[in-house]
Amino acid sequence: GAVVSQHPSRVICKSGTSVKIECRSLDFQATTMFWYRQFPKQSLMLMATSNEGSKATYEQGVEKDKFLINHASLTLSTLTVTSAHPEDSSFYICSARDEGGSYNEQFFGPGTRLTVL
Amino acid sequence: AQKVTQAQTEISVVEKEDVTLDCVYETRDTTYYLFWYKQPPSGELVFLIRRNSFDEQNEISGRYSWNFQKSTSSFNFTITASQVVDSAVYFCALSAGIQGAQKLVFGQGTRLTINP
Repeated sequence: GAVVSQHPSRVICKSGTSVKIECRSLDFQATTMFWYRQFPKQSLMLMATSNEGSKATYEQGVEKDKFLINHASLTLSTLTVTSAHPEDSSFYICSARDEGGSYNEQFFGPGTRLTVL
Repeated sequence: AQKVTQAQTEISVVEKEDVTLDCVYETRDTTYYLFWYKQPPSGELVFLIRRNSFDEQNEISGRYSWNFQKSTSSFNFTITASQVVDSAVYFCALSAGIQGAQKLVFGQGTRLTINP
């Protein structure tokens, strides 16, 4: 099956620093990737849709200047949390859409746990 | 707009019992897809099943079974003879439009605990 990786799996940073999370589709090309955020004991909430070669589409209430998304290639999307604060601590999960099949299946990465001190 | 409701926040049963997780969805699209995912403590989402709106046949996979009823907009998930390893958070999700072109919307999740 299609594999999506995320790096790092876990990161701890100080308040005010920026953190970059990578999402890679390992065996397929993805023009569309998605970034989700999951707070403890809550559901996954879509933050933004990452489109290769164009600007990301952000969901309502998500600050695009704080959560920078770059989808520079067909296999890589990055999410940068700028000037992170403790309230940004969360589990971030990406997914990549495989448009090569009969159905646009989304494959999920293993997630990145961000802790901001 | 799409919406998924999992009314059961937490369920706790003893091993070997059968357990059903409820999922009710809302959409105005006639073409849509329903999913179930398992999220163990590690956090990684595990895909369990995808069902399209034109296929109401129930499905069985080992101890897992799914009951899709368009008349009640429900897509319930039953685990037969539960095991401790089934303990996880289970999410029901919906994607509407042709080939699931619209975004994936998740329910609130049901935390299932199987006690030995």
